[in-house]
Amino acid sequence: DAKTTQPNSMESNEEEPVHLPCNHSTISGTDYIHWYRQLPSQGPEYVIHGLTSNVNNRMASLAIAEDRKSSTLILHRATLRDAAVYYCILRDELAGGTSYGKLTFGQGTILTVHP
Amino acid sequence: AAGVIQSPRHLIKEKRETATLKCYPIPRHDTVYWYQQGPGQDPQFLISFYEKMQSDKGSIPDRFSAQQFSDYHSELNMSSLELGDSALYFCASSLKWEGLPYEQYFGPGTRLTVT
Repeated sequence: DAKTTQPNSMESNEEEPVHLPCNHSTISGTDYIHWYRQLPSQGPEYVIHGLTSNVNNRMASLAIAEDRKSSTLILHRATLRDAAVYYCILRDELAGGTSYGKLTFGQGTILTVHP
Repeated sequence: AAGVIQSPRHLIKEKRETATLKCYPIPRHDTVYWYQQGPGQDPQFLISFYEKMQSDKGSIPDRFSAQQFSDYHSELNMSSLELGDSALYFCASSLKWEGLPYEQYFGPGTRLTVT
């Protein structure tokens, strides 16, 4: 599986934008970029995913580099509730592939939000 | 909206005992995943089922087995428990969408403590 590299931790102030980077230089053509987050004492939660184009949803935006070797999760206005571990995960969406469906969690980024 | 249900939420067992964890996916979801998260660690994929058939297998010990039933709920059976099995066990469900897996929805987890 292609690997991702994220900073161990980041800090932000409430109501400020947060840009969480992820490097994935060995990404393959069939890898989607997924972001999940895990709030304290909870199960992981889906945030967003994309393939090549930038994506927006109600939770966040995903900016994908043109060469797809890196991406950035953007929280437009951080709240205290956004304090969590953020995971950038590559998932091979090729139907019938051996990594079909499962999420491989690596070391994520611990986001601290200050009031 | 209905979420993934896991039971029990907490379980305390002694070494060499057996444990059964249950997972009830979101209605109409056809795929179930099991993950293990040790203290201070990231979630690790154990096993998954699609339409009641095992679809993928991760680092699941031979002492563990799992199955998905006709109503799509799943059970993780753990025998000869060891101290190292103490962890949070998450179940996630998803619905295959146009032939591709979509986002996974995680349950609240079962905290297993082996003494």
